[in-house]
Amino acid sequence: DVKVTQSSRYLVKRTGEKVFLECVQDMDHENMFWYRQDPGLGLRLIYFSYDVKMKEKGDIPEGYSVSREKKERFSLILESASTNQTSMYLCASTPWGTHYEQYFGPGTRLTVT
Amino acid sequence: KQEVTQIPAALSVPEGENLVLNCSFTDSAIYNLQWFRQDPGKGLTSLLLIQSSQREQTSGRLNASLDKSSGRSTLYIAASQPGDSATYLCAVTLARASGGSYIPTFGRGTSLIVHP
Repeated sequence: DVKVTQSSRYLVKRTGEKVFLECVQDMDHENMFWYRQDPGLGLRLIYFSYDVKMKEKGDIPEGYSVSREKKERFSLILESASTNQTSMYLCASTPWGTHYEQYFGPGTRLTVT
Repeated sequence: KQEVTQIPAALSVPEGENLVLNCSFTDSAIYNLQWFRQDPGKGLTSLLLIQSSQREQTSGRLNASLDKSSGRSTLYIAASQPGDSATYLCAVTLARASGGSYIPTFGRGTSLIVHP
């Protein structure tokens, strides 16, 4: 079974803090994604990566950055957390190939106070 | 830009009913379509993946169909149970890469409650 893990289920941070969210997958997938999910807005893509050290902006990259130094790990960084970044953050991974199926982690509920 | 719509947004049914959830999309040049289940406060769990060349997929009491020409997919749940209560999302991936990946577009989901 594919496993996607996220470093924290719940996180509370203060405004202005630098926040790191980690995502690790164990199936050698090339593609990894970071989404945020908010009531009424659905899933929105923040950043994605199709290879080590490669990253592409999604629909809402402002206020975020990412790092992919190893194939299995994709980190989302909030450079200076703000209250409007309070959200559920979801990581996903996908292999290249005919099945291109997304596998999601359990999510991190981030609260910025 | 691909738009994905799920109707209804919410559904409440008694246990045992057969039900149909709908997903429509505007661009039919798709790579695949995936149905997910999400429990409150949790991540998404993949239920079924339908490739562009397929018409349907089945898993247990779930059956998903795909009609590319009309831009529609349905998720059929047979003999619903209270444990089926969750939000169901569909995601459509276009058959053209954006950047270096194929990017899925998600619907807003259907919130299902099955009451005993």
